[in-house]
Amino acid sequence: DGGITQSPKYLFRKEGQNVTLSCEQNLNHDAMYWYRQDPGQGLRLIYYSQIVNDFQKGDIAEGYSVSREKKESFPLTVTSAQKNPTAFYLCASRVRGQPNEQFFGPGTRLTVL
Amino acid sequence: RKEVEQDPGPFNVPEGATVAFNCTYSNSASQSFFWYRQDCRKEPKLLMSVYSSGNEDGRFTAQLNRASQYISLLIRDSKLSDSATYLCVVNTRNTGFQKLVFGTGTRLLVSP
Repeated sequence: DGGITQSPKYLFRKEGQNVTLSCEQNLNHDAMYWYRQDPGQGLRLIYYSQIVNDFQKGDIAEGYSVSREKKESFPLTVTSAQKNPTAFYLCASRVRGQPNEQFFGPGTRLTVL
Repeated sequence: RKEVEQDPGPFNVPEGATVAFNCTYSNSASQSFFWYRQDCRKEPKLLMSVYSSGNEDGRFTAQLNRASQYISLLIRDSKLSDSATYLCVVNTRNTGFQKLVFGTGTRLLVSP
């Protein structure tokens, strides 16, 4: 089945530790995105990538880093510089050039203790 | 002012009721519009796109008013399974990049 997978579903980390969230898609989509969702707020864009080996900062990139070495994979690292990392992180992808539907992964709920 | 604004609700309605949500957007250059549904602690999923002429999908009707910059979603004959958060989403172009802007969502609770 085609889709987007994110792992792990739940993640707990101590303050000051970097953590990497996985996002893999087998939809052959060019564009991939990372969002975070906090209670009472809409999804906010962290980083996006429209093609392999290229990525751009979104609205709230500070304290995060990404890589796009393969079309299928777009991992997100939450660094110790991110001041409020506890959130629900969602990865999405779409066909580049199509302004329509983004397909979302199931999300990773990160809690920093 | 937020780019996309929605009433957070919750809207509490009985089964069989008709309920309507509105959403306003601030960027007049916005190009396309969507309603996504998000269940509790799950990912958003596309419910329907919103076209200028209005569109219907079963019990769901979406309308767009570009002049007033608002979008609406009407749900007829509500089911228990319609309970969810409905996200208004607007696609805008920003320096060549097409970006989705999400509202905070309107929560719907359908009761027996």
